[in-house]
Amino acid sequence: AQSVAQPEDQVNVAEGNPLTVKCTYSVSGNPYLFWYVQYPNRGLQFLLKYITGDNLVKGSYGFEAEFNKSQTSFHLKKPSALVSDSALYFCAVRPSGSARQLTFGSGTQLTVLP
Amino acid sequence: NAGVTQTPKFQVLKTGQSMTLQCAQDMNHEYMSWYRQDPGMGLRLIHYSVGAGITDQGEVPNGYNVSRSTTEDFPLRLLSAAPSQTSVYFCASSYSTSGRAGELFFGEGSRLTVL
Repeated sequence: AQSVAQPEDQVNVAEGNPLTVKCTYSVSGNPYLFWYVQYPNRGLQFLLKYITGDNLVKGSYGFEAEFNKSQTSFHLKKPSALVSDSALYFCAVRPSGSARQLTFGSGTQLTVLP
Repeated sequence: NAGVTQTPKFQVLKTGQSMTLQCAQDMNHEYMSWYRQDPGMGLRLIHYSVGAGITDQGEVPNGYNVSRSTTEDFPLRLLSAAPSQTSVYFCASSYSTSGRAGELFFGEGSRLTVL
């Protein structure tokens, strides 16, 4: 079965500092990987995805993520955090070439301190 | 753009009552799904549909029914509400083609409390 682990429930970072939100996955075959963001009392919004190709994927709002096949990781990164980046972040996975649905991690609350 | 519209936003039920959460999308997406979100558990898939007339179970389907009579609508029915169904429910849709699958568009959520 496919699964996603987000090992940190909470990440705090100072504004202007780089941020990393961690994600590891388990899936049969090649993965399709996704990051979503949820602001308070809102639905999730798609940030970026890895399907194939370059291991560094760029997405919305200056976020990027690095796919590492050997470590089965897909960490979300941003070079300089903003207070407005404070939100709940979800990693998700599904196997490529399959009709199986997305499996989400438990989420990481990011707080950017002014 | 309306996107994905869910109603109602809030609902309080008594144990044993039934209700329907409505979901409509105006993007002509083939794929629609329902998730529930509970603290510390992320999102769990309840039911999904890959097109009108086609539905399938997700991870936590017990106690819920769905139907897909049109491309636009995907209602979720709670047959006999239980306190364990207290949650925030999200409807999501996407294109089903391989390259776009997984890029879900979410509604604003429906917060359900079962007493």
